[in-house]
Amino acid sequence: AQRVTQPEKLLSVFKGAPVELKCNYSYSGSPELFWYVQYSRQRLQLLLRHISRESIKGFTADLNKGETSFHLKKPFAQEEDSAMYYCALSGPTGFQKLVFGTGTRLLVSP
Amino acid sequence: EADIYQTPRYLVIGTGKKITLECSQTMGHDKMYWYQQDPGMELHLIHYSYGVNSTEKGDLSSESTVSRIRTEHFPLTLESARPSHTSQYLCASGPRGGYTFGSGTRLTVV
Repeated sequence: AQRVTQPEKLLSVFKGAPVELKCNYSYSGSPELFWYVQYSRQRLQLLLRHISRESIKGFTADLNKGETSFHLKKPFAQEEDSAMYYCALSGPTGFQKLVFGTGTRLLVSP
Repeated sequence: EADIYQTPRYLVIGTGKKITLECSQTMGHDKMYWYQQDPGMELHLIHYSYGVNSTEKGDLSSESTVSRIRTEHFPLTLESARPSHTSQYLCASGPRGGYTFGSGTRLTVV
C-alpha cells in the first residue's frame, strides 16, 4: 500500500539555520515524489517534484530509493519559508492518485 | 485568469440539510479531484474524475456524491449533512502530481 510518513509535526529553526523536512514513503514500485507547501492564508501549491531535479526558493529534495526517503532541504532558512509542508507520492504510470503525508509545520524565527 | 475556484469558503449548516460545494476550473484540465482534510491530518482523496461523465470514489469512504457534466465543473453534494461531515474540502485539478488546488470549503454541520 502507498503510504507517506512525515515524522515531525513541527520544526522550529532560526533564520539562517539549515532546514531538513523529513519524508519517508512506502511503495512497491518506483513512485513519483512531490513536495507541496501552504503558506498562511494561501492555497496548497506544488513546490517541487523529484523528476524535475530542480531547486525552488532554495529548496531541494533528493529521492533516496534505498532509504525510501525524499527529504526537503534548504541550507539557510528564511522567515518567509514558514509554512505547512506536505510530502506526496504518486505511482509512475497511468492514473495514480496523489497520496499525502500529514504535513510538517516549519516555523522560522528571526 | 486560468484558475480553480471553490465556493463557498465557509459554510455552517444544520443537520439534515442538503448542500452542494462548488468547484470550477478554467484551465481545461481533464482530471479533477476532491480531498477531505481534518485539522492536523493528511489529505484524503474522496472523489476523482478522468473527464466528462467520469467519476470514481477515492480512498476515503464518503457519503458525498459528485458529478462531472462539464469539463470545468465538479460539484460535490451531501444529501443530508451530519456533524461527522464537518471538515475542510479541497478541490484540485491537473495532471498526475502537478495539481492546482482551490482555496477550499470549510464545512461545519451543527
